[in-house]
Amino acid sequence: DQQVKQNSPSLSVQEGRISILNCDYTNSMFDYFLWYKKYPAEGPTFLISISSIKDKNEDGRFTVFLNKSAKHLSLHIVPSQPGDSAVYFCAASGNNDMRFGAGTRLTVKP
Amino acid sequence: DSGVTQTPKHLITATGQRVTLRCSPRSGDLSVYWYQQSLDQGLQFLIHYYNGEERAKGNILERFSAQQFPDLHSELNLSSLELGDSALYFCASSRDRGNEKLFFGSGTQLSVL
Repeated sequence: DQQVKQNSPSLSVQEGRISILNCDYTNSMFDYFLWYKKYPAEGPTFLISISSIKDKNEDGRFTVFLNKSAKHLSLHIVPSQPGDSAVYFCAASGNNDMRFGAGTRLTVKP
Repeated sequence: DSGVTQTPKHLITATGQRVTLRCSPRSGDLSVYWYQQSLDQGLQFLIHYYNGEERAKGNILERFSAQQFPDLHSELNLSSLELGDSALYFCASSRDRGNEKLFFGSGTQLSVL
C-alpha cells in the first residue's frame, strides 16, 4: 500500500543551503498534507501542513508546496541548519486516515 | 512532551504469544491512531478510532485488534506473534476525526524472539 511515496531515502546538504524534500501521492481523496520530523527514540513531531485548496504554505524557514495536478508536494528548508538533521515524513490525510511515506533522512553538514 | 503516553516502552516476547500495547491520548483528544514502523520502513497505518468507534482500517492483520475505551485510552492487541511483528508501534491522537495534525507518543518497541 504505497499511497504516499518518498523516493529519496536520504539527502545531504551543506549548512546554509536549501534542502528540498519531495513526496508523491496516488489517492485523489487526500485533501490535507503534512510534514513531520522525527529524531531517534522519539515519535514524529508535526512540522507544517497544507490544505488542498492552497498551493503554498510558509512557516519561518519551512515552506511546503503542493501541486495537485501532479499529486506532488515538497518541503523546502532555507537556510538549512545542522539541527534540522532528522528523518522527515510526508503524510496525506483523507477518509478518516492519515498515510505516511517511508521517510527521507536529512543530514545537514556544518 | 506531546502529551500522548504509550506503555510499555519496550516489550520482549516469544513467537506465538499475545501482547497488549496501551495508549493514553492527549487530554481532550477524541481520535487515536495506531501505526507500525518496521526497520527502515515508513509508518504503516493500522487503525483509527474516534470517540470509541472505529473510523478507518489500514494494513492491520487479522491477528491484531484494537479498541478505544470510554475514557478514550486505546489498546492494541497483537496475538499469535511472529518474528516479523517485531517493530516500533506508535500511537497518535488528535482533537477531531481528520485533516488535522497528529500528536505522537514515543512508541512501544516490540521484539519477538
